Amino acid sequence: EAQVTQNPRYLITVTGKKLTVTCSQNMNHEYMSWYRQDPGLGLRQIYYSMNVEVTDKGDVPEGYKVSRKEKRNFPLILESPSPNQTSLYFCASSLLDGSTDTQYFGPGTRLTVL
Amino acid sequence: GENVEQHPSTLSVQEGDSAVIKCTYSDSASNYFPWYKQELGKRPQLIIDIRSNVGEKKDQRIAVTLNKTAKHFSLHITETQPEDSAVYFCAASKGGYQKVTFGTGTKLQVIP
Repeated sequence: EAQVTQNPRYLITVTGKKLTVTCSQNMNHEYMSWYRQDPGLGLRQIYYSMNVEVTDKGDVPEGYKVSRKEKRNFPLILESPSPNQTSLYFCASSLLDGSTDTQYFGPGTRLTVL
Repeated sequence: GENVEQHPSTLSVQEGDSAVIKCTYSDSASNYFPWYKQELGKRPQLIIDIRSNVGEKKDQRIAVTLNKTAKHFSLHITETQPEDSAVYFCAASKGGYQKVTFGTGTKLQVIP
């Protein structure tokens, strides 16, 4: 089954404790992206990647890191989480074939930073 | 950078009526405008999209119109049904796969 998976789905942590949220897709998509969703603010792009070893900042990259060492994986790293990073996080992927731009979203990760 | 404004933030319609959600964007270089539907507790899913070389696109009960001169685009849902109740997001980007800016969302309630 074609899908985007994220782990963990729920995470409660404390300020300053490094964490990684994994994202994996099995559709051989070149493009992957991370978003955070907050009430009243919609979806805001954190980082995106056009291909392996190619990443770029979205609108809210501060406090986050990403890497794209393999095509299927795009982990989101919070080196020193703070309470303002409490949010719902979505990973998404898309095929770069020039005919379809559909982004497929993962199920989301709800992060709480105390 | 790009700024996308979406209105209204909430919309209630009677079943069978039409619903219209409007978005404006600021960057004239944006050329790809998708709409996503997010049901409660679920992930966003693409429902329709339009590129800047097209003025209107339809898919059954949903349609999107684009006015490049005014830099706004709209989602039209006809013959609304209770299952259309959800939050709808518009978005804008350049090239379709690069930096994507979303609107703040519209919560649509269809009253049976």
